[in-house]
Amino acid sequence: ETVLTQSPGTLSLSPGERATLSCRASQSVSNNYLAWYQQKPDQAPRLLIYDASSRATGIPDRFSGSGSGTDFTLTISRLEPEDFAVYYCLQYGNLPLTFGGGTKVEI
Amino acid sequence: EVQLVESGGGLVQPGGSLRLSCAASGFTFTSYWMHWVRQAPGKGLVWVSRISSDGSITNYADSVKGRFTISRDNAKNTLHLQMNSLRVEDTAVYYCVNILLGWGQGTMVTVSS
Repeated sequence: ETVLTQSPGTLSLSPGERATLSCRASQSVSNNYLAWYQQKPDQAPRLLIYDASSRATGIPDRFSGSGSGTDFTLTISRLEPEDFAVYYCLQYGNLPLTFGGGTKVEI
Repeated sequence: EVQLVESGGGLVQPGGSLRLSCAASGFTFTSYWMHWVRQAPGKGLVWVSRISSDGSITNYADSVKGRFTISRDNAKNTLHLQMNSLRVEDTAVYYCVNILLGWGQGTMVTVSS
């Protein structure tokens, strides 16, 4: 099983600051099939990034994904108030699919 | 607009069964693999199962293998999850997911006596 480790567990920042979230895999993710999701309380996750760096439809360009192999990064260039949430990475290149434990971005 | 609407959740006793459904619209359902993902209260996301676009390939997490069955009806743009021999630890919100397009709002499954 491909274990995804997200760091940090919690990121305390202010609006306007840059957020850098890490997702590290225990083995190489096939085809760099890695996605990032945002989840707010009592809501379903929202797709931000797929295939490691492709932005989903309607996602603002302040969100960007990068990385390959075992190391992936989600960057939020300038935090907006609505960006404070929990972020999960998902690898869908290897079976079973696995999620990271999440990074909470808080004020 | 992509829409995924789950139904079929509820309260069931340990050992019981439930069948979840997901109605899909706003995209070409027959072109995509589909997944079920669950989230226990206050916990993270866990992948449960997936099915290929034509329904010929299915995969399961070890925790549900032999108890859950995923299926799809491409004529009706509908995804299903048959859950048998339910356990207390299956309690969660179950999401219907298109990995590349979006998630449903989820349906709550509670397994309790």
